[in-house]
Formats: sequence, structure tokens, C-alpha cells
Amino acid sequence: SAVISQKPSRDICQRGTSLTIQCQVDSQVTMMFWYRQQPGQSLTLIATANQGSEATYESGFVIDKFPISRPNLTFSTLTVSNMSPEDSSIYLCSGTLNTGELFFGEGSRLTVL
Amino acid sequence: GEDVEQSLFLSVREGDSSVINCTYTDSSSTYLYWYKQEPGAGLQLLTYIFSNMDMKQDQRLTVLLNKKDKHLSLRIADTQTGDSAIYFCAERGGKLIFGQGTELSVKP
Repeated sequence: SAVISQKPSRDICQRGTSLTIQCQVDSQVTMMFWYRQQPGQSLTLIATANQGSEATYESGFVIDKFPISRPNLTFSTLTVSNMSPEDSSIYLCSGTLNTGELFFGEGSRLTVL
Repeated sequence: GEDVEQSLFLSVREGDSSVINCTYTDSSSTYLYWYKQEPGAGLQLLTYIFSNMDMKQDQRLTVLLNKKDKHLSLRIADTQTGDSAIYFCAERGGKLIFGQGTELSVKP
């Protein structure tokens, strides 16, 4: 299995500011992903974090708003830029092992005022 | 696009079996997953099944996969109050697509 740690676990931010969420995995995962879970909703994939290159974004998500880095196999960051109240959500990092197992971090709960 | 559907609610009595169903559309799915999410918590991987399997059992959990009908189910035997949570089905072809989640309520 893999243990995925995210920080911060929660934050309250002001409109117009940016927040970077860090994700650390204790195993060398093959792929890392970032998801958003809005209140009472299911999970929506934001992007696939690619090691050493630009992330692959899903429809509706752009690099300027959600820049992502993945400098090595076990670490990734997601920045939520120029935040608005609509960005209030849980942001989850996940990683997959070559067994097919896919694990999630505990999530970062973001509230934008 | 690809889609995953689940019923939204299920209520059972403690000690009964729970069966949560899921249908998906992606014919190229390689893995299918069940996750549990308790209030205020992250997603816990319960179990997963490779698409060339039709059943997997892990203690109280049994996963059944009907690949022809693109139907996945999770059976929880001897359901306990601690099993109350939201259960998400997810399928992975290229990317991981989640269902809306089924809220399981276990009554004593």
C-alpha cells in the first residue's frame, strides 16, 4: 500500500490570494493525480501530474488557475491561484502503484472568503 | 464521455448484508475500485478488481463484476453501524472516473 500525506489539511483564504497544496507519497507511485471534491459531490479529476513535465489537464481546468508541479516520483504540488469563493472545496491528491491500487490523501479543505 | 452511475442512498439494518450497485460505460476499463468516505475524511480504498476477474472476496467484502453488462457490485456482509459512510465506485480506463457515491445508512 501507499501512504499519501497532504498539507495543509485545511485553510481559510482571502479572495484573490493563492494557496499551494503539497502531496508526499511514501512509495514510488507510477502516476499522481489531483482531484477536487465540492461539498456533497463526487470527485472530479483536475489533472494528471507528470514527473518533470507539464501536467495534463482535464476539460474545464487550466494551468494558469491550477499550476501543478511534480519534480520527482513521490512529491507533487497543486496551486489554486487567484482564489474565489467558488474554489472552496476539498482538493485530493492520489497516486497509483504498479499493482493497480490507487490511494488518496486525506484531502485539503479550502475555504475562500 | 465516460460515465459511472450509482444509486444515491441505501438503508439497511445492522447484521444484514448490504449490496451497493454501480454501472459504467467505459468498455476499456482495466481496474474498478470501491472507496469509502466517512464524514470529514478522505477516501479509503476498500478493494479493487482487475477487469478480467468476475469476483473478489476480502473478509466481509465481496465484489462482483459483470463485464458484459458493465455492472459492478459491492456486498458487505454482517453490516455494522461503523459501515455507515458514502461508498464510491470508480473505473479506470485511461483516467479514473467516479460515480456520485452511495450513502449507506445502517440502523441498529
